[in-house]
This record gives sequence, structure tokens and C-alpha cells, in this order.
Amino acid sequence: DQQVKQNSPSLSVQEGRISILNCDYTNSMFDYFLWYKKYPAEGPTFLISISSIKDKNEDGRFTVFLNKSAKHLSLHIVPSQPGDSAVYFCAAGGQTSYDKVIFGPGTSLSVIP
Amino acid sequence: DTGVSQNPRHKITKRGQNVTFRCDPISEHNRLYWYRQTLGQGPEFLTYFQNEAQLEKSRLLSDRFSAERPKGSFSTLEIQRTEQGDSAMYLCASSRTEPGETQYFGPGTRLLVL
Repeated sequence: DQQVKQNSPSLSVQEGRISILNCDYTNSMFDYFLWYKKYPAEGPTFLISISSIKDKNEDGRFTVFLNKSAKHLSLHIVPSQPGDSAVYFCAAGGQTSYDKVIFGPGTSLSVIP
Repeated sequence: DTGVSQNPRHKITKRGQNVTFRCDPISEHNRLYWYRQTLGQGPEFLTYFQNEAQLEKSRLLSDRFSAERPKGSFSTLEIQRTEQGDSAMYLCASSRTEPGETQYFGPGTRLLVL
């Protein structure tokens, strides 16, 4: 049973345009959500997070939106740059289970120059 | 401190052999996590330590797997009698104690069981 879903395995975007990566979750007990970026041969790198009490968090070119009623979150990257090409993982965690984090399967983003 | 480190970065072994991986977390982090990642999937939680105490283990962690963090600093993950299905990237992460604190990942150890 996949609790965190990323239904788009891959996404291609032109440099300078907006990249929108989507994530859906099934467990309403999740308390916070994170996005990680992963380059080949490296571990995931933390990008941005959002608490369940917020609906938006912004950090530079990256904005995460949370829609709790729909159990949906999205990551917006504006403007997209070639260096953003990587696999992006959506992850969710809660105050229980010692903050074990559940990851989605990832979306591979390609930003085309 | 430059972050979470893992050794070795790559390991090739024959089925039935034992392997051990090491993780050195960020020095001030009390929490240490092990994850496993297979191709096309996100990292899957294996186990978690708060200081030296192992507080949770996933059902993915069969009795062939054992993890230790004897002094609350570095951790080891041992796989006994390896199987081809154990081939994966093994990731370690660490974080501070506060709930929701971000986990920082190491580069991983890629295991190939022949």
C-alpha cells in the first residue's frame, strides 16, 4: 500500500519555465511534508518542507503548496534551470512512529536548455 | 563537519556472504536512520536509532539484517547470508531530536549481490 504517490515518473520542462511536481498521500495523520532532490550517485538532498498547519511555503525559486482536503501537495520551481534536472522525491512524516518518513517513488525532472 | 558519510560506497559480494556497512552521522545529530532504495522507488525506511537505542524496525528488516549504534555515534548495518534480492542502495540519514527535524542523507552504499 503506497502511502505517498507521485504519479508522474518523469517531466520535461524548458529552461526558464515553471516546473510543477505533484504528490498525493493517503494517510491523514501525516504531520509534515518534504521534498528531496537526488542526483545520480548521491544521497537525497533536502529541498523544502511544509507543516500541515500551513498551505504554502516558499524558499527562493521553490514553493510548496499543500491542499490537506485533497491530500495533495505540489512543488513549483520558477524559473527552472538545467541544474534542477534530478529526481525529486516527495516525503511525508508524522509526530508518531518517531518521525519515520515515507517517500514517494520520485519524479525525474529534465530541464531542457 | 561535512555531513553524513557512508562506507564503502560500493560493495559487490557473492550470494551467501555477509556484508557490513558503516554510517557516520553529522556529529550533533542524535537520530540515525537506515533506508533502502531500489531502482525506480523512493527510499524505504529500515530502522531508526535515538542515540544508541534502536527504537523502530521495519518489517523489511528480516532476521538476516542487524543494525547497531553502540556508542550513539556511528552505526553499522550488517546483512548475513546475502541474497540477490538484497541488491539495492543502502542510505543512512541523521537528524536532530526535535519532531519534524529534517533528515540529512549520506551518499549511500550500493550493494550488488551476485
